[in-house]
Amino acid sequence: EAGVTQSPTHLIKTRGQQVTLRCSPISGHTSVYWYQQALGLGLQFLLWYDEGEERNRGNFPPRFSGRQFPNYSSELNVNALELEDSALYLCASTLGLAGSTDTQYFGPGTRLTVL
Amino acid sequence: DQQVKQNSPSLSVQEGRISILNCDYTNSMFDYFLWYKKYPAEGPTFLISISSIKDKNEDGRFTVFLNKSAKHLSLHIVPSQPGDSAVYFCAAIKYSGAGSYQLTFGKGTKLSVIP
Repeated sequence: EAGVTQSPTHLIKTRGQQVTLRCSPISGHTSVYWYQQALGLGLQFLLWYDEGEERNRGNFPPRFSGRQFPNYSSELNVNALELEDSALYLCASTLGLAGSTDTQYFGPGTRLTVL
Repeated sequence: DQQVKQNSPSLSVQEGRISILNCDYTNSMFDYFLWYKKYPAEGPTFLISISSIKDKNEDGRFTVFLNKSAKHLSLHIVPSQPGDSAVYFCAAIKYSGAGSYQLTFGKGTKLSVIP
């Protein structure tokens, strides 16, 4: 069974540009989470989508946004890129609102570098 | 304010010995705790979890202990193997009601198992 997939694996952008990252969850999973891991920091929760709706949002500015499609895949969009947006962006999926103890399964991440 | 703290950024252990990774938390409302392992250039992988109503969970070489009064949990790896060398993240789940919950990660501890 395929795990969580993310694309692209690496990305280089310049300040002010916009970027879209993509995530496909494990088949049968309806919830998708996005995290940012910047250098020297732990995993920072960004966004949670379930059944196409945004369920929760971390402490990030509005230029971080996303959406979830009917097939449960998801996009993370970052507008007006800043140097400090350089990080590994991780996507995780779970079965969904089956309960508060769903285990999250992570993708390999997208390494974004902002120059 | 960090709600989940891993105060040791790194740990070195001899192969065959016990590795003990520690995690402290400040929010007594956390419902569930998880440990993830992360190799370089890969996403975190789920390792083991424990409900807040239990004090121990064991899975093979991995055991997680929870001390609620001290708001402390630890991951024991016995015996440690070189393949265990990775960054270990402690995470905590808080169910917020209305189908919403938050997953908070610590900053991670880098474990090096020396052959």
